[in-house]
Amino acid sequence: AQTVTQSQPEMSVQEAETVTLSCTYDTSENNYYLFWYKQPPSRQMILVIRQEAYKQQNATENRFSVNFQKAAKSFSLKISDSQLGDTAMYFCAFRFNSGTYKYIFGTGTRLKVLA
Amino acid sequence: DAGVTQSPTHLIKTRGQHVTLRCSPISGHKSVSWYQQVLGQGPQFIFQYYEKEERGRGNFPDRFSARQFPNYSSELNVNALLLGDSALYLCASSIFTGGQGATEAFFGQGTRLTVV
Repeated sequence: AQTVTQSQPEMSVQEAETVTLSCTYDTSENNYYLFWYKQPPSRQMILVIRQEAYKQQNATENRFSVNFQKAAKSFSLKISDSQLGDTAMYFCAFRFNSGTYKYIFGTGTRLKVLA
Repeated sequence: DAGVTQSPTHLIKTRGQHVTLRCSPISGHKSVSWYQQVLGQGPQFIFQYYEKEERGRGNFPDRFSARQFPNYSSELNVNALLLGDSALYLCASSIFTGGQGATEAFFGQGTRLTVV
């Protein structure tokens, strides 16, 4: 069975600094996607960034980038120039690219950006 | 454009009762999925529907059921509520792109269900 592990329950970072959130996963599949979702207090899950497993190049979206290490099954999220609005729960998620396309989420990391 | 909308936003039910949660996907999205998020945990997959057919089911008891309507909206039904069913129920919609797979899921704001 596929599992996603986020080992950092809580993290904090000073505004304008850089922070990295860790995620590891376990699968025997080759065709899958990895995602980082953000869940602010409003509860809505918002996509931050996605990575296709067959792509070696790490995905980047503005201040957000990932370090995807397929052999190590590691998928960390780096947030640069942290902003107060980045304060939220961050979930790492795995999804097959076939079948049900269901998401398997980690337990989340609560990130607090300090002024 | 409207995102994924869920109703109601909050609900309080008594043990043993039945509840129906509703979801309207983004226009053009034919796939709807349901997730249960217990406090302090990540969302857990319950169901996925595509073109009104059940495409996948998570490890939930038969008290949980769902359906998708011709307009692609969906209902999640839970019978004989237990205290442990208290959670945030999230609906997500996406587009299946045939051989290309599926787009990322777009989530609604959820329904907070409290069972007392």
